[in-house]
Amino acid sequence: NAGVTQTPKFQVLKTGQSMTLQCAQDMNHEYMSWYRQDPGMGLRLIHYSVGAGITDQGEVPNGYNVSRSTTEDFPLRLLSAAPSQTSVYFCASSPGANVLTFGAGSRLTVL
Amino acid sequence: RKEVEQDPGPFNVPEGATVAFNCTYSNSASQSFFWYRQDCRKEPKLLMSVYSSGNEDGRFTAQLNRASQYISLLIRDSKLSDSATYLCVVNGPSGNAGKSTFGDGTTLTVKP
Repeated sequence: NAGVTQTPKFQVLKTGQSMTLQCAQDMNHEYMSWYRQDPGMGLRLIHYSVGAGITDQGEVPNGYNVSRSTTEDFPLRLLSAAPSQTSVYFCASSPGANVLTFGAGSRLTVL
Repeated sequence: RKEVEQDPGPFNVPEGATVAFNCTYSNSASQSFFWYRQDCRKEPKLLMSVYSSGNEDGRFTAQLNRASQYISLLIRDSKLSDSATYLCVVNGPSGNAGKSTFGDGTTLTVKP
């Protein structure tokens, strides 16, 4: 039972490069979300989805795109990486009005 | 003002101590409340849900005061393994976890 799988675990980018962080869950959860966590801070919501084909912005959406073509997958795209996007990114899923199950995180450094 | 505010900590306590963390939230229409635990460089994991009637899980007790928009977590008989960051989490008016709001966390270090 894999739960929530994030790839890659680590990534280094140069300013201006683009990339996609992958997130997949095998629990048939409706809700999926992306958070970023900066040092000494809590998690801030980037984007979330309440089901396939439906996405919405969270607290800090600028510079990121998402799509939800299937229930299982919720990729996060960085359009043009900036040093301010250096962070740890967590993907999470939930069956509904319930607790979140997190992936192990993706640590991104933008030079 | 942040939507969810926690004691900044850090809390440094000896083994066996009782420690309490507080959390306040700004949206009175919030529906559900949780405490998560996060170990260093790991993902957050659910510690316990918080109910209006208060709930207990072993050495951990969580309480919710909707009138004061206040959540607490009490840890009794602290163990070394309790050292972690504790995150207060609030789900919005719709109740769904897709838009959970996190506090910045309170760091606990339990010392021998």
